[in-house]
Amino acid sequence: KAGVTQTPRYLIKTRGQQVTLSCSPISGHRSVSWYQQTPGQGLQFLFEYFSETQRNKGNFPGRFSGRQFSNSRSEMNVSTLELGDSALYLCASSEGHTGFSYEQYFGPGTRLTVT
Amino acid sequence: KNQVEQSPQSLIILEGKNCTLQCNYTVSPFSNLRWYKQDTGRGPVSLTIMTFSENTKSNGRYTATLDADTKQSSLHITASQLSDSASYICVVSARNNDMRFGAGTRLTVKP
Repeated sequence: KAGVTQTPRYLIKTRGQQVTLSCSPISGHRSVSWYQQTPGQGLQFLFEYFSETQRNKGNFPGRFSGRQFSNSRSEMNVSTLELGDSALYLCASSEGHTGFSYEQYFGPGTRLTVT
Repeated sequence: KNQVEQSPQSLIILEGKNCTLQCNYTVSPFSNLRWYKQDTGRGPVSLTIMTFSENTKSNGRYTATLDADTKQSSLHITASQLSDSASYICVVSARNNDMRFGAGTRLTVKP
């Protein structure tokens, strides 16, 4: 099976712009979670989608949003980018909701730099 | 307040030696605890998932333990290899789906 893929791998944006990141989960996986990783804050949970519904949300401002399509692919959008949004954005997929101890598989991440 | 603390922050060991990483948590009510290995520039890779009833779980040279009473977990690496050099992250989930991440332990294995 192909692993979790994320596009693009690298992105440079200017403050105030918006960005959309994409994640394709492992075939058959219905849950997609998004995380932000920075050197200062470590890994932080953004949100989880399961069968096109947001099941869980972390403590991030409304500028961060996401959605999941019927084929389980997911997109994450960040509007009005700030310098502090520079981070590695990771996507992870699992067969079921992570609250039920399903194995999570991470993608390689998208490195976003905001200038 | 739900928190996860890992120690040490960083560790340097010689190839072939064993080491143990610690994870203490206050997450409640507890659902599961995961250990991940993350190589520089890559996404994390799951090592183990432990639920309340599990005390020990092994994955090759990696053995995780969980003491739900004291809210402590450890990850023991046996006969370390250069490829074990990575960050090891402990993640604890509560039954209300609140997920808390440790800051990680940076392990360096030297020849």
